[in-house]
Amino acid sequence: SQELEQSPQSLIVQEGKNLTINCTSSKTLYGLYWYKQKYGEGLIFLMMLQKGGEEKSHEKITAKLDEKKQQSSLHITASQPSHAGTYLCGAGRGGSNYKLTFGKGTLLTVNP
Amino acid sequence: GAVVSQHPSRVICKSGTSVKIECRSLDFQATTMFWYRQFPKQSLMLMATSNEGSKATYEQGVEKDKFLINHASLTLSTLTVTSAHPEDSSFYICSASGHPEGGYTFGSGTRLTVV
Repeated sequence: SQELEQSPQSLIVQEGKNLTINCTSSKTLYGLYWYKQKYGEGLIFLMMLQKGGEEKSHEKITAKLDEKKQQSSLHITASQPSHAGTYLCGAGRGGSNYKLTFGKGTLLTVNP
Repeated sequence: GAVVSQHPSRVICKSGTSVKIECRSLDFQATTMFWYRQFPKQSLMLMATSNEGSKATYEQGVEKDKFLINHASLTLSTLTVTSAHPEDSSFYICSASGHPEGGYTFGSGTRLTVV
């Protein structure tokens, strides 16, 4: 079965700083999803990456997929307290009828 | 965008009783729905996958007689926790696929406490 390892497990940054979260898969990545979760709430979709070398950005968040390394990174520029939460990467088999396997998450704290 | 409504958001029940959690896709037909369980500070564990009109596929170690999943229509799936025990207390989240834009849409989760 596919396993996803996220690093770091937790991260505390000062507001305004940049940060990167990594997600490494034990198998080939066909589709990689990034979600954000506030404690006790559902998952908010951030981005989906499917092609090797693909890079997507939304506001101050950029995600990249390095297919050869079976790895994805999520980069936040000029972090804000609103970015705080747990970031989860999830991998599927390419079609959305297949289950997603999730990493354990990265808990981000942004201090004002 | 795609919206999935999950109810209730919180429920407290007594040991031995059953609890039903609903997951509805509001603006699309969900061909597949997934049910996850999440323990505090841990990631999501897939419990089962359900397709409309067919039996759910349960992950290894998940008791299908305890966690009953029904996907009777393309917009509704339900998870019933039968004969609940305190160890069933957890956060349950559903997700649905089938939106024309693709991907998976998650519900807001249900916090179940069994006392």
